[in-house]
Amino acid sequence: EAGVAQSPRYKIIEKRQSVAFWCNPISGHATLYWYQQILGQGPKLLIQFQNNGVVDDSQLPKDRFSAERLKGVDSTLKIQPAKLEDSAVYLCASSLRVLNHEQYFGPGTRLTVT
Amino acid sequence: RKEVEQDPGPFNVPEGATVAFNCTYSNSASQSFFWYRQDCRKEPKLLMSVYSSGNEDGRFTAQLNRASQYISLLIRDSKLSDSATYLCVVITYSSASKIIFGSGTRLSIRP
Repeated sequence: EAGVAQSPRYKIIEKRQSVAFWCNPISGHATLYWYQQILGQGPKLLIQFQNNGVVDDSQLPKDRFSAERLKGVDSTLKIQPAKLEDSAVYLCASSLRVLNHEQYFGPGTRLTVT
Repeated sequence: RKEVEQDPGPFNVPEGATVAFNCTYSNSASQSFFWYRQDCRKEPKLLMSVYSSGNEDGRFTAQLNRASQYISLLIRDSKLSDSATYLCVVITYSSASKIIFGSGTRLSIRP
């Protein structure tokens, strides 16, 4: 069974530029999550989708971050404009159902903002 | 006070030892709990769910203490390959699921 796919794996941008990350969850998984993990910290949930609807985006900095999952399968997370403090690993995870939080993570995208 | 707290470690133990660490949570309404392991520069991987009655998976035992609001992970007969960061996850259900990861406990097993 294929795991969660993410791209790109690494990205370096300058502050004030924009960047987008892509995630394809495990086939059949209805719930998709985006996390931000800063070095030395645990992952912080940014947004959670159930199919193509948003379940929780309370911790998403909506002035600069946006995410969509238009067809209920793959998803994109965008940052515009980026700040230095956005340097982190962005992890995508999926789970079978919204109340089953056994999450399977992709390899992440390591973002460096200079 | 953080909503989910873990001792960052590092715990440095010899191969074959038993090691245990805890994760405390502040919201008494929290309902689901998990342990993940994360190797250096890798993604978190689900280790086990934590059930109310406690559960065991091979050398790993997870327990929940609702009265004192903590979960624990016990590793018996530790192997070099157990060296990793162990993250606890606490989930509270209200209008939406609130998912909080701890900052992790670093475990290093020495030969």
